[in-house]
Amino acid sequence: AQSVTQLDSQVPVFEEAPVELRCNYSSSVSVYLFWYVQYPNQGLQLLLKYLSGSTLVKGINGFEAEFNKSQTSFHLRKPSVHISDTAEYFCAVSDTDKLIFGTGTRLQVFP
Amino acid sequence: DTAVSQTPKYLVTQMGNDKSIKCEQNLGHDTMYWYKQDSKKFLKIMFSYNNKELIINETVPNRFSPKSPDKAHLNLHINSLELGDSAVYFCASSQDNRPNQPQHFGDGTRLSIL
Repeated sequence: AQSVTQLDSQVPVFEEAPVELRCNYSSSVSVYLFWYVQYPNQGLQLLLKYLSGSTLVKGINGFEAEFNKSQTSFHLRKPSVHISDTAEYFCAVSDTDKLIFGTGTRLQVFP
Repeated sequence: DTAVSQTPKYLVTQMGNDKSIKCEQNLGHDTMYWYKQDSKKFLKIMFSYNNKELIINETVPNRFSPKSPDKAHLNLHINSLELGDSAVYFCASSQDNRPNQPQHFGDGTRLSIL
C-alpha cells in the first residue's frame, strides 16, 4: 500500500525567508503526487501536481516542488514566503483509485 | 460561483441523533468523494462515487450512508451519531476517477457532537 510521510508537523519561518516542506512517499508503482494547501476554516486547494515529465513542478503562489524518484521525495519549496502563506500543507500520493494524504505540515510565517 | 459547495457549514447536535450533510458541484465532474478530517488534521477518504455508482467504501461504519441522486450531488447521512463522529467532513470532486485527476474540495462541514 502507498503511504506519505511529512517529516515536519510545524515549520516556523520569518517573512521573506525561503522555506522547504518535506514529503516522502512509498510506492512500488508509478505515482502521481500532489501538494494541497488548507487555509483556516477552508477546504483544500491544489498547489501543484506531478504527473510525468519534468521533475521540477511549478504551482500557484510562487511554490514549486521537485520529484526525486531515487529518494522517493517530493519536497515543496518557496524562495520567499509571505504572511499570507501561513496555512496547513498536505502532500498526497494517488493510489489506483484514491488519494493518500500525509499528516500535514503547519507553516507559520512571522513578521 | 462556488465549485464544490457543502451545507451546512456547522452542525452541532446531540449523541444519538440522525443528520445529513449535502454536497453539490457545478464543475461537470463525474466523480465525488467524502473525506473525514479529525482533530489532528488527518484526512481520510470515506466514500467515492463515479457517475452515481459507489466505487470506494473505506471500512466506514454502517451508520454512514452516502447517496448520489445525480452526478452533481453526493449527500452523507449519519445515523445514531456518536462522540467520535465529531470532525470536519469534506466533499470533493474530480473530472473522473483516474489517479492523475486533481480533486476540488468544498469548505467543509464542522460536525460537533454534544
